[in-house]
Amino acid sequence: KAGVTQTPRYLIKTRGQQVTLSCSPISGHRSVSWYQQTPGQGLQFLFEYFSETQRNKGNFPGRFSGRQFSNSRSEMNVSTLELGDSALYLCASSGGVRNTEAFFGQGTRLTVV
Amino acid sequence: AQTVTQSQPEMSVQEAETVTLSCTYDTSENNYYLFWYKQPPSRQMILVIRQEAYKQQNATENRFSVNFQKAAKSFSLKISDSQLGDTAMYFCAFMKPFGGANNLFFGTGTRLTVIP
Repeated sequence: KAGVTQTPRYLIKTRGQQVTLSCSPISGHRSVSWYQQTPGQGLQFLFEYFSETQRNKGNFPGRFSGRQFSNSRSEMNVSTLELGDSALYLCASSGGVRNTEAFFGQGTRLTVV
Repeated sequence: AQTVTQSQPEMSVQEAETVTLSCTYDTSENNYYLFWYKQPPSRQMILVIRQEAYKQQNATENRFSVNFQKAAKSFSLKISDSQLGDTAMYFCAFMKPFGGANNLFFGTGTRLTVIP
């Protein structure tokens, strides 16, 4: 069974640009959650998509958005990038009995210069 | 609100020795799930072990075992026969029932170094 796949692994962008990150969950998992990880703030929940709908949202500005496709693949978009958006972005795939499985991808390292 | 506390920012252990990482949490839920994740330099968050709160028996996975004390809200991870590949950040996490990954609450992590 393939794991969670995130692309790309690394990105370097300039302030003001926008970026799109992709996540393919484990086959059969319908929930995809996104986290931002920084040394100072740790792991912070961005949002969750389930069956193509945003079901939960963390405390991030509207520049952070996402979507989910019918095959459960999810994309996260950040517009008008700021230096503080530099982070590791992790995607987690959820499913299983009682929805208690949570597996992570390798992350996308975003650097904003 | 749920909180997860890892009071040991860094730890080290000699190869082949045993080490215990501490985690405490606070919740008003009666049923929940607890996890230990490992994040090596490759950055991927790898699930090490999972404990269901309604199960009294402590979970074990090969060299990894937990000491789950529900009343004390404590969930420590014991790594036996430590190997160099165990060097990583370890995160303790709490999940509400039927929570999914969007309901994972993480501690701040413990950086473990295995010394050859």
